[in-house]
Amino acid sequence: GQQVMQIPQYQHVQEGEDFTTYCNSSTTLSNIQWYKQRPGGHPVFLIQLVKSGEVKKQKRLTFQFGEAKKNSSLHITATQTTDVGTYFCAGRRTGFQKLVFGTGTRLLVSP
Amino acid sequence: GAVVSQHPSWVICKSGTSVKIECRSLDFQATTMFWYRQFPKQSLMLMATSNEGSKATYEQGVEKDKFLINHASLTLSTLTVTSAHPEDSSFYICSALPGGSTTEAFFGQGTRLTVV
Repeated sequence: GQQVMQIPQYQHVQEGEDFTTYCNSSTTLSNIQWYKQRPGGHPVFLIQLVKSGEVKKQKRLTFQFGEAKKNSSLHITATQTTDVGTYFCAGRRTGFQKLVFGTGTRLLVSP
Repeated sequence: GAVVSQHPSWVICKSGTSVKIECRSLDFQATTMFWYRQFPKQSLMLMATSNEGSKATYEQGVEKDKFLINHASLTLSTLTVTSAHPEDSSFYICSALPGGSTTEAFFGQGTRLTVV
């Protein structure tokens, strides 16, 4: 079945440092979404990427969709303590409605 | 954004009993709803996809007779954990997809189930 892996599993950074999480799917995706989940909370939608090679920015967050539409990345510039949480990518295959979540990357930011 | 309400937010039940979790889309019609389970420090694992008015599609390894899903209306889906056991203790989250949409899925707040 479809698998979506993320690396790293966990990263601990100092406030102000950059952070990147990588997402790799075993199958080609029609689109990929990114979510953030705070401890004890539910996933909150961040963004969706659809086009091959697409890059989108949201303030300090930069999202990229690979040319082959099988991988994606999320980069946070100058992390802040409010960035703490687990970041999940979630992919959809063409013709399927279901979202398959990646394994997640847990980010801890120390002041 | 659209609101999905999940109830209860937490529940404790005895082994052998059944628990029903509700997922409601408050301001949109959801033709499709998804049920996920999340164990501590793990990812969301899709359990099943439910479409209004039809039988749910279960993921491989998920027992359909144990996890009963009903999507009787365009705004309500329910998940019933039957004959619950301690290993069923987990965080259950629903998400709803507005009709005709292939974009953002809206998530409920989740239900933390503890079976004692």
